[in-house]
Amino acid sequence: KAGVTQTPRYLIKTRGQQVTLSCSPISGHRSVSWYQQTPGQGLQFLFEYFSETQRNKGNFPGRFSGRQFSNSRSEMNVSTLELGDSALYLCASSLQTVTGYTEAFFGQGTRLTVV
Amino acid sequence: AQSVTQLDSHVSVSEGTPVLLRCNYSSSYSPSLFWYVQHPNKGLQLLLKYTSAATLVKGINGFEAEFKKSETSFHLTKPSAHMSDAAEYFCVVSPLLNAGKSTFGDGTTLTVKP
Repeated sequence: KAGVTQTPRYLIKTRGQQVTLSCSPISGHRSVSWYQQTPGQGLQFLFEYFSETQRNKGNFPGRFSGRQFSNSRSEMNVSTLELGDSALYLCASSLQTVTGYTEAFFGQGTRLTVV
Repeated sequence: AQSVTQLDSHVSVSEGTPVLLRCNYSSSYSPSLFWYVQHPNKGLQLLLKYTSAATLVKGINGFEAEFKKSETSFHLTKPSAHMSDAAEYFCVVSPLLNAGKSTFGDGTTLTVKP
């Protein structure tokens, strides 16, 4: 069974540009969450999508947005990039069961560098 | 509301000695608790999870953790450290029915000396 796949693995962008990151969850998982990981702030929750709807949102500016498609694949977009957006962006998927949700399964992440 | 505190940012042990990584949590509901490990430039891998069943949870690679509600703790232990255990470890709390709202601790870097 394939794991969570994130593309691309590495990305270099210039300040002011925008970027789109992609995440393919484990087959059958409808919940996809995004996290930003930086040395200074640690792992911070961005947002979660479930069945194409944003269900939870962290404390990030509106420059950070996302969406989920009918096949559960998700994209995250960051507009007007800032140097401080340089980070490892992690995607995680989880499966809804009759009793709740399984743990989150993480992808390898996308390393974004803003120059 | 929920929060998690990892009490040590760095832990250093010698190979073959026990490992203890400490985690305290706060939650206004019955939580699920997890430990994840992250090796350099990798994603997070689940070590073990507590979801209101047995309080002593066994995970992969010889790790285990005990849920202590009275102490609001979920410390991670391993009897004998291996060089390959060197990594960053994250304690995570989430609502029992919603893994999408997870809160991560700041992480503990484990160093294993030969």
